[in-house]
Amino acid sequence: EAGVAQSPRYKIIEKRQSVAFWCNPISGHATLYWYQQILGQGPKLLIQFQNNGVVDDSQLPKDRFSAERLKGVDSTLKIQPAKLEDSAVYLCASSYGDSNSPLHFGNGTRLTVT
Amino acid sequence: GQQVMQIPQYQHVQEGEDFTTYCNSSTTLSNIQWYKQRPGGHPVFLIQLVKSGEVKKQKRLTFQFGEAKKNSSLHITATQTTDVGTYFCAADTGGFKTIFGAGTRLFVKA
Repeated sequence: EAGVAQSPRYKIIEKRQSVAFWCNPISGHATLYWYQQILGQGPKLLIQFQNNGVVDDSQLPKDRFSAERLKGVDSTLKIQPAKLEDSAVYLCASSYGDSNSPLHFGNGTRLTVT
Repeated sequence: GQQVMQIPQYQHVQEGEDFTTYCNSSTTLSNIQWYKQRPGGHPVFLIQLVKSGEVKKQKRLTFQFGEAKKNSSLHITATQTTDVGTYFCAADTGGFKTIFGAGTRLFVKA
């Protein structure tokens, strides 16, 4: 099966600019996750979708981050305006959505904010 | 909020030595998953443990889930250079929300 697709692979922006990341999950996976991984740390869950509904977004900085999964398939994560501390790898993952389903990760987008 | 604590943060071993990483939670977990992330790569699922006291093996890797379902361990026997990477535990905290530990980074010297 095809894996989780993410783009772009790398992005460099200046602070206060905006950026968007795209994710296409594995076909048939109901649940889609966005994680932020800062260098040397574990992935931090930003938002979790079940189909096109939000399950959890408690860790999403909603004043600058937004995410959508309009048709229950692919998803976009946006940052506006970006801050220096947003420099990280943004990982998208998907799963079938039950408690025993492993997460399948994309290659991630490495964001550098200067 | 719910956290899973992982120790050690990093470990250096000589090739052929054993390695163990531990994952602990203050609350009972529904299940625990283990992932491996190679340098520059993304986390890749290794295994899931669900039952109290469960032990699973994958070649040189042994995974255990504690009797109280609050801790877990991953043990690698006779490490190889291909084992290099960061090992994460991830726990379902309820509501199918998967929280990752900080990871243990393994360095293997040939």
